[in-house]
Amino acid sequence: EPEVTQTPSHQVTQMGQEVILRCVPISNHLYFYWYRQILGQKVEFLVSFYNNEISEKSEIFDDQFSVERPDGSNFTLKIRSTKLEDSAMYFCASSLAGGWGKNIQYFGAGTRLSVL
Amino acid sequence: GQQVMQIPQYQHVQEGEDFTTYCNSSTTLSNIQWYKQRPGGHPVFLIQLVKSGEVKKQKRLTFQFGEAKKNSSLHITATQTTDVGTYFCAGESNQFYFGTGTSLTVIP
Repeated sequence: EPEVTQTPSHQVTQMGQEVILRCVPISNHLYFYWYRQILGQKVEFLVSFYNNEISEKSEIFDDQFSVERPDGSNFTLKIRSTKLEDSAMYFCASSLAGGWGKNIQYFGAGTRLSVL
Repeated sequence: GQQVMQIPQYQHVQEGEDFTTYCNSSTTLSNIQWYKQRPGGHPVFLIQLVKSGEVKKQKRLTFQFGEAKKNSSLHITATQTTDVGTYFCAGESNQFYFGTGTSLTVIP
């Protein structure tokens, strides 16, 4: 069964450093998403991406965050200058379509980001 | 801003008992989805409800979407230890909003 893959599974970084989290969405999917889940809390939407541009973003997704689809398969989340509060599990998801009621999302296993 | 709340936050049940989690949105939703997240795992899609008043069943799980499309419920009949996890509703308006989740513990 096709799946969303994320690398690395765990990333440890120093405060102020840049990190890039990588995702390979399901190959025929057109919509891509990043979510964050702080330990023990709910899943929070960060951003959705379609046709090589951001379609929606939340208030969490400020200027220190950026997303990119550098080639036909990867979808990346960059955090420019990490803060302690960025420590969380980051999930990538993809869906075949994005219209109303059609965006069933498939999640990757996540990248655990630890900022020291 | 948009909020999707779930109650209860935690639920402990004896194996074989029923379980229900309720999801409430501050605004009308176009559709609602339910996900299950096992401890240490990632959200896994369970079902999607689109129509007002819609009821769907998956074996022991019954999902309902309210008439006003602002609330939803998930009911599990005769829980099993494999049902353990956190159940999230996720509602769509202009973006995707996950609920606060209900963590289910099933005591054998």
